[in-house]
Order: sequence, then C-alpha cells, then structure tokens
Amino acid sequence: KAGVTQTPRYLIKTRGQQVTLSCSPISGHRSVSWYQQTPGQGLQFLFEYFSETQRNKGNFPGRFSGRQFSNSRSEMNVSTLELGDSALYLCASSRGLAELYEQYFGPGTRLTVT
Amino acid sequence: DQQVKQNSPSLSVQEGRISILNCDYTNSMFDYFLWYKKYPAEGPTFLISISSIKDKNEDGRFTVFLNKSAKHLSLHIVPSQPGDSAVYFCAASGGSYIPTFGRGTSLIVHP
Repeated sequence: KAGVTQTPRYLIKTRGQQVTLSCSPISGHRSVSWYQQTPGQGLQFLFEYFSETQRNKGNFPGRFSGRQFSNSRSEMNVSTLELGDSALYLCASSRGLAELYEQYFGPGTRLTVT
Repeated sequence: DQQVKQNSPSLSVQEGRISILNCDYTNSMFDYFLWYKKYPAEGPTFLISISSIKDKNEDGRFTVFLNKSAKHLSLHIVPSQPGDSAVYFCAASGGSYIPTFGRGTSLIVHP
C-alpha cells in the first residue's frame, strides 16, 4: 500500500507570496491532518479534514487554510507569507478521526520564505 | 502552555542497553497516547500506542508504560540498536482533543 505523499518536497517563496501544498493520503484513509514543525517547537497542529469537512483547527492565523477533496486528497494554502512561516509542513492520514487512530505521515514539504 | 512535555531533548545509550524515553502530560482528558519515531528528512513513523485503560503495551523490543495518576508515560527500548537512533515524539489525544505532540527526544545509540 502506498504511503502518504506530499508535493512539492521543497519550496522557496518570497515574503508576501502565497503557497499551496498538496497531500495524498493512504488509500482508504479519510482523515488528513496538517502540522507545522519548526526547530524546538515540535509538531504544531494546523487542521484536520475528514470527509471534506474541517473538524479541528489549531491556533494559527487565518492566512493558513486548507481543503479536502472527495478522493480525500488535501491541499493547504498559506497566503501573504511571512519569514516565520519557514518550516517543515507535514501531512498525516489516518483511517478514522485523528484523535482516535495512529497517524501516518508523509515526508513533508520544506518551505523557506525569504 | 505545553500540554505534552518531553523534558529530555537528547539521550545517549550504548548498544544493547535499555533506552528509556519519558513524556509528561497535563490534560487529564487525554486517553490515547502514541510514540512516533522520526529520521532526518522523513516524516514521523508510528511506533506504538496505549489507551488509558491499560498501563502497559508491548511490541517486540518496544514497551510503553502509562502512569495515569502521575500523568506520565515512558517508552522502553530493549535492547537498543544503532538503527534506533532518531528523534522520538510522544503524542496524546482522545475525546475531542486533537493530537498534541511533545517537542521530541533525540536518541543516539552508540555501537
């Protein structure tokens, strides 16, 4: 069974631009969650989508948004990029709700904002 | 305010010995706990989990212990192998609480 895939793997953007990251979950998984990882901060929860509906949202500004498609694929968008948005963005899928099942992570997208 | 804490940023162990990684949590509503392992340039990989109805779960060389009264869990790796060198994250969730991760402990197993 193929794992979670994320594209692109690396991205360099300029302050003020916007970016869209993509995630394809494991086949059959209906929950997709997004996390931001920065040095020393661990994994910070961004949001979770289940059956195309956002179920939970972490403590991030409205510049961070996402969506999930009917095939469970998910995208995350960050508008008006700031230097502090430079991080590893991880997508994770689970067969059920994220708080009830183990999650399977993709390799991440490394975003650098200059 | 960190709800899940891993107070040791790093741990160094000799091959063949036991590795013990610790994690504390503050939210008594958490009832599902997980450990993930992360190698550089890869996403975290699920290792082992435990629900609050149990106090121990074992999977091969990995055992997780849960002490609900102390709000503490630990991961034991016996025997430790050089391939176990990675960053280990503990996570807690349950009910309507989103998965909350600690900041990780970097384990180095020396040959």
